[in-house]
Amino acid sequence: EDQVTQSPEALRLQEGESSSLNCSYTVSGLRGLFWYRQDPGKGPEFLFTLYSAGEEKEKERLKATLTKKESFLHITAPKPEDSATYLCAVQGSPNDMRFGAGTRLTVKP
Amino acid sequence: NAGVTQTPKFQVLKTGQSMTLQCAQDMNHNSMYWYRQDPGMGLRLIYYSASEGTTDKGEVPNGYNVSRLNKREFSLRLESAAPSQTSVYFCASRVRGGSTDTQYFGPGTRLTVL
Repeated sequence: EDQVTQSPEALRLQEGESSSLNCSYTVSGLRGLFWYRQDPGKGPEFLFTLYSAGEEKEKERLKATLTKKESFLHITAPKPEDSATYLCAVQGSPNDMRFGAGTRLTVKP
Repeated sequence: NAGVTQTPKFQVLKTGQSMTLQCAQDMNHNSMYWYRQDPGMGLRLIYYSASEGTTDKGEVPNGYNVSRLNKREFSLRLESAAPSQTSVYFCASRVRGGSTDTQYFGPGTRLTVL
């Protein structure tokens, strides 16, 4: 069975303090690994899709990387507006999109 | 361009009542999805529709039915609501092509079953 585990559950950073979020996964035949941002009371907002080990994608202060077992979301010099829950998901078979429980990020000014 | 819209935003039901959650997208996407999100757990796929006229079960389909009414609309029905179905329900549409694979989520329906 496909599984996704995100760590840490919660992360508190000072503004400007860079860090990484982890997404470990087991899947039979990865069709895609996805990162989303979710603000309280809202639906998830798409960030990145990664398809194969070694792939990297960047957007503003965020950079996502992928290996055969895990993905990292690196946050460089975060700002308070980066505070949100970050979700990771993997797709193996067509009818199976598995999400992790998320990492709740708080960035203090 | 409204994206993905969901109605209602909030709903309270009594055990055994039925209701339909509505979802519509205006992005001309073929694929649409229904998820539920519970505290401490990731989103879980209930049903999906790869294209108009087709629907398939996801991870947690029991107690739910769906209808892909047309390309725009994908509804989720609870025939006999149970307290275990208290959750936040999200609808999403998906676009795939080339290097693009993106899901767009609606704002959610917060359902409480008493």
